[in-house]
Amino acid sequence: NAGVMQNPRHLVRRRGQEARLRCSPMKGHSHVYWYRQLPEEGLKFMVYLQKENIIDESGMPKERFSAEFPKEGPSILRIQQVVRGDSAAYFCASSPNGPSMTEQYFGPGTRLTVT
Amino acid sequence: GIQVEQSPPDLILQEGANSTLRCNFSDSVNNLQWFHQNPWGQLINLFYIPSGTKQNGRLSATTVATERYSLLYISSSQTTDSGVYFCAATPYSGAGSYQLTFGKGTKLSVIP
Repeated sequence: NAGVMQNPRHLVRRRGQEARLRCSPMKGHSHVYWYRQLPEEGLKFMVYLQKENIIDESGMPKERFSAEFPKEGPSILRIQQVVRGDSAAYFCASSPNGPSMTEQYFGPGTRLTVT
Repeated sequence: GIQVEQSPPDLILQEGANSTLRCNFSDSVNNLQWFHQNPWGQLINLFYIPSGTKQNGRLSATTVATERYSLLYISSSQTTDSGVYFCAATPYSGAGSYQLTFGKGTKLSVIP
């Protein structure tokens, strides 16, 4: 059973461009979470999605960031008009059930560098 | 939301030594996990342990939910154990119950 897959693993964008980060959950998992690790900061929750639904986006910046998890295909974290402060490692996790009493399995992360 | 505190923040070990890492959390939890972030930045799941004791090779973990702490034991440490160890928890209810809240981590350096 393949683990959580994220691509690309490394992404370089110039200021003002768009970044699209993809996450394919483990087989049979319908719950996806995105976390961000800023330099010198800890890992912070961004958003929790089920298929076609955003359940909790309390950790998402109000502007420029959006996430989706369509019926078919991977979950996408989209950052519009990137700024240098968006440079970070972005991790995706998945679980077979909701977040209560269930393990979240993490992907290898996407390292975004904004130049 | 829930607070997660880890100690010590830094730890240097001679290869072969044993160590104990601690994680305190402020509320009842329905999820507690330990991770190892290796020097290449990857997060490795170590344990899912909201209560009880588990062992996996040289690593073991114990969570005492009633006293709101968890311990990660590393025995016979190896240089490949180096990295940052994170504890993360989800509260049983209320704000943040959908998300893992991470501690700041313990940075472990194992020297030959």
